[in-house]
Amino acid sequence: ILNVEQSPQSLHVQEGDSTNFTCSFPSSNFYALHWYRWETAKSPEALFVMTLNGDEKKKGRISATLNTKEGYSYLYIKGSQPEDSATYLCASVGEYGNKLVFGAGTILRVKS
Amino acid sequence: GAGVSQSPSNKVTEKGKDVELRCDPISGHTALYWYRQSLGQGLEFLIYFQGNSAPDKSGLPSDRFSAERTGGSVSTLTIQRTQQEDSAVYLCASSLGEGAQTFGSGTRLTVV
Repeated sequence: ILNVEQSPQSLHVQEGDSTNFTCSFPSSNFYALHWYRWETAKSPEALFVMTLNGDEKKKGRISATLNTKEGYSYLYIKGSQPEDSATYLCASVGEYGNKLVFGAGTILRVKS
Repeated sequence: GAGVSQSPSNKVTEKGKDVELRCDPISGHTALYWYRQSLGQGLEFLIYFQGNSAPDKSGLPSDRFSAERTGGSVSTLTIQRTQQEDSAVYLCASSLGEGAQTFGSGTRLTVV
């Protein structure tokens, strides 16, 4: 059974601040790590799927890194905007398991 | 279709009644997941279908919950003898293998 943990649970930042949060997952039998953004009253939206140790992916002001040996991924948001306010979920799947296991998410609120 | 379609979008039912929730995944997606989000909670995994393999039912909270996926496409989640604690948003997602999941807009179930 995978335990995927995210921290912090919630984060309040000012517009323009850069921020980051953490996803930790069991490093044994790792297969893939997913990041999703979930805005209120909408469906979760995929941001990144990462599989390789040292992988770094970027989408606009959002980027993510992956360390499969120590079992963590960081999500970074540069110059936060109010529209970045959402819950950010990570999920991991192990090599011998097929289903994604989600963390509880980090709630980000960006104040203008 | 272009996205994951769920119906109905809202359902109000009386305690003790049975309900059926439908998910129409993206054509060609082999994997289909059901999740639910109860008030104030994170994303809770319910059941996972992958191709012709036996479904992973490990997340179903009780034997009142069941799901099937006919012809590797449309899935129906059935809740028998609904209880008030079953009130939640039920989300369906599909993916190509272990790739990024595309979520539907959900069914909001209210048991009165």
